[in-house]
This record gives sequence, C-alpha cells and structure tokens, in this order.
Amino acid sequence: QQQVKQSPQSLIVQKGGIPIINCAYENTAFDYFPWYQQFPGKGPALLIAIRPDVSEKKEGRFTISFNKSAKQFSLHIMDSQPGDSATYFCAASGPGRLTFGEGTQLTVNP
Amino acid sequence: NAGVMQNPRHLVRRRGQEARLRCSPMKGHSHVYWYRQLPEEGLKFMVYLQKENIIDESGMPKERFSAEFPKEGPSILRIQQVVRGDSAAYFCASSPIKRDGYTFGSGTRLTVV
Repeated sequence: QQQVKQSPQSLIVQKGGIPIINCAYENTAFDYFPWYQQFPGKGPALLIAIRPDVSEKKEGRFTISFNKSAKQFSLHIMDSQPGDSATYFCAASGPGRLTFGEGTQLTVNP
Repeated sequence: NAGVMQNPRHLVRRRGQEARLRCSPMKGHSHVYWYRQLPEEGLKFMVYLQKENIIDESGMPKERFSAEFPKEGPSILRIQQVVRGDSAAYFCASSPIKRDGYTFGSGTRLTVV
C-alpha cells in the first residue's frame, strides 16, 4: 500500500524530444505528489509537485499530469536538453513521510 | 539561508567500526527524515524525527542503526558495527511542516571496507 511504482527504469531521447515518466500508487491517502531530479553525486532536488485536486500542472518545460481515478501520474519534459540528463524520482506523501519510486535514468542525446 | 547540511560528505569505515552521520536541517525546519540510497536504486525511507522525538522509524533496521534529533545540535544517524552491506549514500531531508516541501542535503557516502 505504501509503494509507488515508476517506469521506465531508463529512457533515452534526442534533444528536443518529450520524455514521459510514469508512476502509479495504491494508497488513496496520498495527497501530495512531487517529482525530484538527481544528478550524480548530488542530493535529490524538488522539481515540481501536484495535489490531487488538479489534473495538470506546468512549470517551465516540466508538466505533471495526474489521473486520480487511475491513481497514476506522469512527468513530461518539453523540448528536452542534454542538461536534463539525470535520474528522476516520483514520490507520494503518506502520513509522516514521502515514499519514492525506483527512479528513471534519463539520457538526452545532443 | 543555508540548505540542509550533511557531514561528512564521504566516510570510510572498516567492518565492525561505528559510523556517525550528521544532518543540520534548514533554518526554520523542525522535521528531519533520513533516507538510504543503494547504488542504482531508489531512496528508501529510514526514519522521521522531530526535535527530541522519533516519529516513525519503520524503515530502520532493527539492529545496529539508531537516530536522534536532540534539542540542540544536528540530527545524528548512528550505525554500529558496520558491515559491507551498509555501504550506501545516506540522505537527510528537512521540511517546515509535516510531509511537504522536503529539501535534501547532498548526502553522506559511506564505504565499508
């Protein structure tokens, strides 16, 4: 019930492409869904977050789509750049703590 | 406004020694969380603390691991009698209110030799 399942495990796109990373959860008590970006040797950094009362949120080139009935949410990166190459984690907030997905290693080729 | 400060950045311990990892939360943040990340894996929750209280330690191994967040000073994650399997990156995060707005530190990379 506390799990968050993330896919794909890795993703390679060309510069300008739109990588999409998907997450699914089971616990209906989750009410806060952030995405984190992590570069090698660094800590995760909050990228964008959504609450289940909205279906979409955009911040710059990053968009979260949220489907409450399906208990799924996804991250879209518009006009991806080589500098976006990193590991991306979705997460869901349960009582007292965030539960993270397993991560997606994104590579954006020039 | 300094971020979450973790030290040391890198720590090497021999099997059987103790490892002490320190975390100073962001100013104004009273909630501290510790996560462990094994190579090529996700972040696994270990423990959630507030000042002088352990709120949730459901992710902590039953033996050798302990955590505290005293009234004064940083939060400490202590690993006694380290084994090779303890080698990982340990991240601390803090938040101003429960659950939301986590800010992570840069982590401590523990290597057990």
